Amino acid sequence: KNEVEQSPQNLTAQEGEFITINCSYSVGISALHWLQQHPGGGIVSLFMLSSGKKKHGRLIATINIQEKHSSLHITASHPRDSAVYICAVRSNTGNQFYFGTGTSLTVIP
Amino acid sequence: DVKVTQSSRYLVKRTGEKVFLECVQDMDHENMFWYRQDPGLGLRLIYFSYDVKMKEKGDIPEGYSVSREKKERFSLILESASTNQTSMYLCASGRQIYGYTFGSGTRLTVV
Repeated sequence: KNEVEQSPQNLTAQEGEFITINCSYSVGISALHWLQQHPGGGIVSLFMLSSGKKKHGRLIATINIQEKHSSLHITASHPRDSAVYICAVRSNTGNQFYFGTGTSLTVIP
Repeated sequence: DVKVTQSSRYLVKRTGEKVFLECVQDMDHENMFWYRQDPGLGLRLIYFSYDVKMKEKGDIPEGYSVSREKKERFSLILESASTNQTSMYLCASGRQIYGYTFGSGTRLTVV
């Protein structure tokens, strides 16, 4: 049983498309993170959310605490957005972290 | 910019060797983490530390130990490396209320 589920697992999009990646979790959380991992391994923390919505450039992250669901949106997608996007939550008990297995995004020119 | 530096990008060790993976951060962060990442399994937390000399087990601590003698440095130790510890190891650091910064990873191969 995975505490964090992401969908889709793989996603291919044309340049310029609007992209949504979903994350559902089953534990109580203190924060949810969206991470980006490029080929070669480097991981960047995109957002940390505990409520509402955050925006950074073409990236938007939302969270619905009641529904235990978060979405990462990419507007006007670009080939350089091609990466694996990982959802992670920090539980509100015991300092546990749980990770989704990632969504592999490929944006085609 | 916060920097999290892992000492080696690639490492090859023999079964039974003692292996040290070093991680250094330069922003006075309280929290530091060691993860491993394997295909199909995603990121899994091995150990984390929320202060000097403090450590907590993550999801998969077996076969590993850690050391945090100074705030900026968090070491992961494989006491006797085994082939099932071949993996990508990622270190991260951060504060309580902000996001975390990851190192660029160490790809360890145990032969």
